[in-house]
Amino acid sequence: GQQLNQSPQSMFIQEGEDVSMNCTSSSIFNTWLWYKQDPGEGPVLLIALYKAGELTSNGRLTAQFGTTRKDSFLNISASIPSDVGIYFCAGPRYYNFNKFYFGSGTKLNVKP
Amino acid sequence: DAGITQSPRYKITETGRQVTLMCHQTWSHSYMFWYRQDLGHGLRLIYYSAAADITDKGEVPDGYVVSRSKTENFPLTLESATRSQTSVYFCASSDSYEQYFGPGTRLTVT
Repeated sequence: GQQLNQSPQSMFIQEGEDVSMNCTSSSIFNTWLWYKQDPGEGPVLLIALYKAGELTSNGRLTAQFGTTRKDSFLNISASIPSDVGIYFCAGPRYYNFNKFYFGSGTKLNVKP
Repeated sequence: DAGITQSPRYKITETGRQVTLMCHQTWSHSYMFWYRQDLGHGLRLIYYSAAADITDKGEVPDGYVVSRSKTENFPLTLESATRSQTSVYFCASSDSYEQYFGPGTRLTVT
């Protein structure tokens, strides 16, 4: 079962606002991945994090690998309507990248 | 550069029928995966494959069969479809920790 807890479950924001969401686990992770899923489509990889404390950006998106290795954060700056979707965190169990845990997702709604 | 494709995108079948979902990737990734996505359960791993002719069960394998005779293809077969297998199915591939997903197949079993 899932061992990754994402919060918030859903967000309603105004276009132009910044967004923050996080993912926590009771276990240590060595890799954190952030995905976005648009309605009717497959998850798309946004950012991959490999080191504790690592901060990585992809355009308006910035993700951080928490220093405890039990959490990760995703920030979106200056949101736009196309940011709407569900954002998932994910990570492999130990060093076995065949078996992933997925968070339950944060559903983002952006009002123009 | 097609990446990873799935077919069909939508399928309606009857209980008891056999149905095969196709997955094809052009990256020559070693690993391929099948997930199902249901409300309240998120993404759950059905089967995965580490290479051609090497497959292993995931979290929810019952009722499904896979094969991988070629690196680029990883078909998923429902031997005798049941209503509980109504779901959205995603194929993914990887050569590292980064998994790349296909667009999904929405399967309805009536």
